[in-house]
Amino acid sequence: ETGVTQSPTHLIKTRGQQVTLRCSSQSGHNTVSWYQQALGQGPQFIFQYYREEENGRGNFPPRFSGLQFPNYSSELNVNALELDDSALYLCASSLVAGFGEQFFGPGTRLTVL
Amino acid sequence: AQSVTQLDSQVPVFEEAPVELRCNYSSSVSVYLFWYVQYPNQGLQLLLKYLSGSTLVKGINGFEAEFNKSQTSFHLRKPSVHISDTAEYFCAVSVNAGGTSYGKLTFGQGTILTVHP
Repeated sequence: ETGVTQSPTHLIKTRGQQVTLRCSSQSGHNTVSWYQQALGQGPQFIFQYYREEENGRGNFPPRFSGLQFPNYSSELNVNALELDDSALYLCASSLVAGFGEQFFGPGTRLTVL
Repeated sequence: AQSVTQLDSQVPVFEEAPVELRCNYSSSVSVYLFWYVQYPNQGLQLLLKYLSGSTLVKGINGFEAEFNKSQTSFHLRKPSVHISDTAEYFCAVSVNAGGTSYGKLTFGQGTILTVHP
């Protein structure tokens, strides 16, 4: 059974640029959630995708957007990067009926200069 | 809305000593409860979860936690820690709202457990 994978591992961007992060869900999981973990903080929920549609969103501006594909993989897009967007971005997959149990990938470390 | 408070930001302990990491939550509806561990430069790994039933939950690596509804707590314990337990630990909740729940996790700020030889 393949776990959750994310790419790239690390990324450096400059302020104002756009970035796309990718996630492949665990086999059999049809739901993907994205979290932002700033340094020294707990993860914060960005949004969740189920069957290619957004299924809940946290307190993040519209410049954070996402996609889910028919194979349940997902992308997180961030436009107009700001310095505060520097963080570890975690992807988690789950079954909708999984009582909130989510399986996390290793994360993408984004640095905005 | 839910919130999670981890009462200790850092917990130093000697190897083979017992440890307790404290977690309190706030929610107007019933919740599911989780503990995750994060090793340096890695993602989150599920240690244990409380969904229903027995309030004492056993997880991986010898950890256990007890759900106390009256005190809205879910403290994590281990009777004897190892150097390899050094990591950051996160308590999290998700709303138990039946079919409408989408399983959003709300995390605490984390507790860094450092095990000294």
